[in-house]
Amino acid sequence: SYVLTQPPSVSVAPGQTARITCGGNSIGSKTVHWYQQKPGQAPVLVVYNDSDRPSGIPERFSGSNSGNTATLTISRVEAGDEADFYCQVWDSTSDHYVFGTGTKVTVL
Amino acid sequence: QLQLQESGPGLVKPSETLSLTCTVSGGSISSDIYYCDWIRQPPGKGLEWIGSIYYTGNTYSNPSLKSRVTISVDTSKSQFSLRLSSVTAADTAVYFCARRNIAVAGAEDSWGQGTLVTVSS
Repeated sequence: SYVLTQPPSVSVAPGQTARITCGGNSIGSKTVHWYQQKPGQAPVLVVYNDSDRPSGIPERFSGSNSGNTATLTISRVEAGDEADFYCQVWDSTSDHYVFGTGTKVTVL
Repeated sequence: QLQLQESGPGLVKPSETLSLTCTVSGGSISSDIYYCDWIRQPPGKGLEWIGSIYYTGNTYSNPSLKSRVTISVDTSKSQFSLRLSSVTAADTAVYFCARRNIAVAGAEDSWGQGTLVTVSS
């Protein structure tokens, strides 16, 4: 089964840049989606198709994907960005979605 | 605005079958660009994709759960359902339904609020 590995936590000061990685074998050849989940809430899609943003998501959220690592970047971090973030890809070998292990972003 | 709402028992006994329904309002699931997905999250843990159904009835399941999962859809009622058989305490989780949208590269762009299901005698 395809495995996606994320750092358990990332800490960042307000106004700085947070980078959340998602590692997987040749993930650059797959399409990656990113979700933000605040405590007690359902996940919200923040980036799809590696680097596209749904309507209503601030431009501060951006994504990239190459080689064995996909990255979600949050620029000019705000206190309201504090949440868990999950990457997701489709595992075509067994036709199912896989989520990353999740990263907790803490705003200092 | 599209809304999804999960419903079903919050407590299920071990070895029994968990049954949940997702009701969709404010939009349609009867389209060739939508799939209906189920995702779960054990308390304090990460997300696990359970499975998916297309409006035609085609289904996809997580291999780790496949033998126990049944997903169905009733487009006339704008509902889709999950059945998970032979549950154990490890199936205790918040269960989410979500719409997967081909227009956003197959990402899940709308989610229900989630419902906690506890497996306990």
